[in-house]
Amino acid sequence: QSALTQPASVSGSPGQSITISCTGTSSDVGGYNYVSWYQQHPGKAPKLMIYEVSNRPSGVSNRFSGSKSGNTASLTISGLQAEDEADYYCSSYTSSSTRVVFGGGTKLTVL
Amino acid sequence: QVQLVQSGAEVKKPGASVKVSCKASGYTFTSYDINWVRQATGQGLEWMGWMNPNSGNTGYAQKFQGRVTMTRNTSISTAYMELSSLRSEDTAVYYCARGMGPVPDYWGQGTLVTVSS
Repeated sequence: QSALTQPASVSGSPGQSITISCTGTSSDVGGYNYVSWYQQHPGKAPKLMIYEVSNRPSGVSNRFSGSKSGNTASLTISGLQAEDEADYYCSSYTSSSTRVVFGGGTKLTVL
Repeated sequence: QVQLVQSGAEVKKPGASVKVSCKASGYTFTSYDINWVRQATGQGLEWMGWMNPNSGNTGYAQKFQGRVTMTRNTSISTAYMELSSLRSEDTAVYYCARGMGPVPDYWGQGTLVTVSS
């Protein structure tokens, strides 16, 4: 069982927007602004898409945005494209002895 | 550009140890932490621990305490992760990832470790 809770799957049609949630506790998501989101295509390494809740690394499309409310963080992808189909993982810093915790991952299907 | 290049796939027997390397380039190796994350086939990401290449300080997830050791050789900008007492459940792809604070940003290509008798 992962420390952070994500939906197993989401789907959307090209051009639509989708949101993936990531629920933790006050010891991780709710307590720190160190929430990150990663995109992983099959057989590839994860790629950082969002860091510190809502910041995009250089080169990441502005169709990707992040936010947080209480113990739940969210990743929104607007203007869905076929290439967005992938697994998405959230992560957070945690005050427990484990420094970083991940969500279980969400499979995004572009219909 | 930042690159992390990991060593090749390994096949080990139960009870053995494995040591995976991660060679960094494109940035100052001692200025960023190195995290290790693993992923079993079809499963999610699991954080194993971190190392500060400058000081050598480490922090391990409780699950791996006593079985994992993270080290480095600063002269060749390379980090290492050694996992001992391997069991079948340790079969996974192991990733190193540079740490921008507590945020893994750039990731290596992954190293498949297979534990099988």
